[in-house]
Amino acid sequence: QSVLTQPPSASGTPGQRVTISCSGSSSDIGSNTVNWYQQLPGTAPKLLIYNNNQRPSGVPDRFSASKSGTSASLAISGLQSEDEADYYCAAWDDSLSGRVFGGGTKLTVL
Amino acid sequence: QVQLQESGPGLVKPSQTLSLTCTVSGGSISSDTYYWSWIRQPAGKGLEWIGRTSPHGYTNYNPSLESRVTISLDTSKIQFSLKLSSVTAADTAVYYCARNRAFTDDALDIWGQGTVITVSS
Repeated sequence: QSVLTQPPSASGTPGQRVTISCSGSSSDIGSNTVNWYQQLPGTAPKLLIYNNNQRPSGVPDRFSASKSGTSASLAISGLQSEDEADYYCAAWDDSLSGRVFGGGTKLTVL
Repeated sequence: QVQLQESGPGLVKPSQTLSLTCTVSGGSISSDTYYWSWIRQPAGKGLEWIGRTSPHGYTNYNPSLESRVTISLDTSKIQFSLKLSSVTAADTAVYYCARNRAFTDDALDIWGQGTVITVSS
């Protein structure tokens, strides 16, 4: 069981906006930055969002994220078929002295 | 452009030690700006962080694996390695190496393509 809690699945139609939640605790999200990773089918994960809400160069501004207290969320607007992937949140956990991941959310574009 | 590439045996027998290497090209692994990490993913499942090392050998490990894991750096070869002892079928997974930004956002910003490890007799 993952330390960070994500919904196992999400879906939307092209052009819609979808959000994916990530719930943690005071020792992980509550104390440290949240990063989000996108894993397209059959590929390695890729950094999608860092430092709670920053996009690396090359990531479309359709992707945005926020953090509040012990929770974080990822939003994808103007959904496209190529956004179909698994999405993972992650943070450092001070009590474990280790990185923790969410269980992942499989996004389906209908 | 920094790239990471994992290499390993593919198949490991139960109770043996798994050894993997990550070769870094296009950059140095000696900078204090980065840690070097290992992550694994069983088929059809989520990501599990294994651990990381700093250029000076300071390590952090997943508590659930700590008794079996060693991560080390070879700056002369621009490689870092993972050793996981006493493996079982539960250690069957795709193993990824990744560069870990230190002191700022702790992001895993560059990943290798992954290598499949199967534990079976």
